Amino acid sequence: AQTVTQSQPEMSVQEAETVTLSCTYDTSESNYYLFWYKQPPSRQMILVIRQEAYKQQNATENRFSVNFQKAAKSFSLKISDSQLGDTAMYFCAFTIGGSQGNLIFGKGTKLSVKP
Amino acid sequence: NAGVTQTPKFRVLKTGQSMTLLCAQDMNHEYMYWYRQDPGMGLRLIHYSVGEGTTAKGEVPDGYNVSRLKKQNFLLGLESAAPSQTSVYFCASRSGPLGPYEQYFGPGTRLTVT
Repeated sequence: AQTVTQSQPEMSVQEAETVTLSCTYDTSESNYYLFWYKQPPSRQMILVIRQEAYKQQNATENRFSVNFQKAAKSFSLKISDSQLGDTAMYFCAFTIGGSQGNLIFGKGTKLSVKP
Repeated sequence: NAGVTQTPKFRVLKTGQSMTLLCAQDMNHEYMYWYRQDPGMGLRLIHYSVGEGTTAKGEVPDGYNVSRLKKQNFLLGLESAAPSQTSVYFCASRSGPLGPYEQYFGPGTRLTVT
């Protein structure tokens, strides 16, 4: 079975500090893609960052970066210089390349950024 | 360019009533999906479609039906609503089999069944 585990149901961080959200996944496939989605109180699902499994280089998008450890099946998200607008639920997800493409989601981590 | 839109945004149903949720995308995407989100459960796939006229079951399909008569629209139907179907429903789309693989989501529909 393909699964995603987010072991931190809730986290908090002070504004301007750095926080890391954990994610592990399980799949026997070799061709897959990993994502972090953000869901603010507005409920909209927003893509934060993506990582192709075949790429060794960790993806970065401005203040967001990942630590992708393929052998350990780990895909953590680092948020630098946290801002109040980063307060949201964060979901880790992956999909298998070449398949019908549904996303397998973790249960989410609720991040609160405190002023 | 509206992306993915969903109608309605909120709905309250009584047990046994029926309704249809409409999803529309203007990105010419081949693949479309319906997920439900329940507290503490993440998002789970209900049904999906890989092209006009095709549909398939996901992880939690019971009690739902879908149709994709036009490429840009994906309808989710509840024939006889049950309290267990109280949830937030998300539609998503993706370009096609060759990627890119990220999905784009609609704003969600909050459904309450009493």
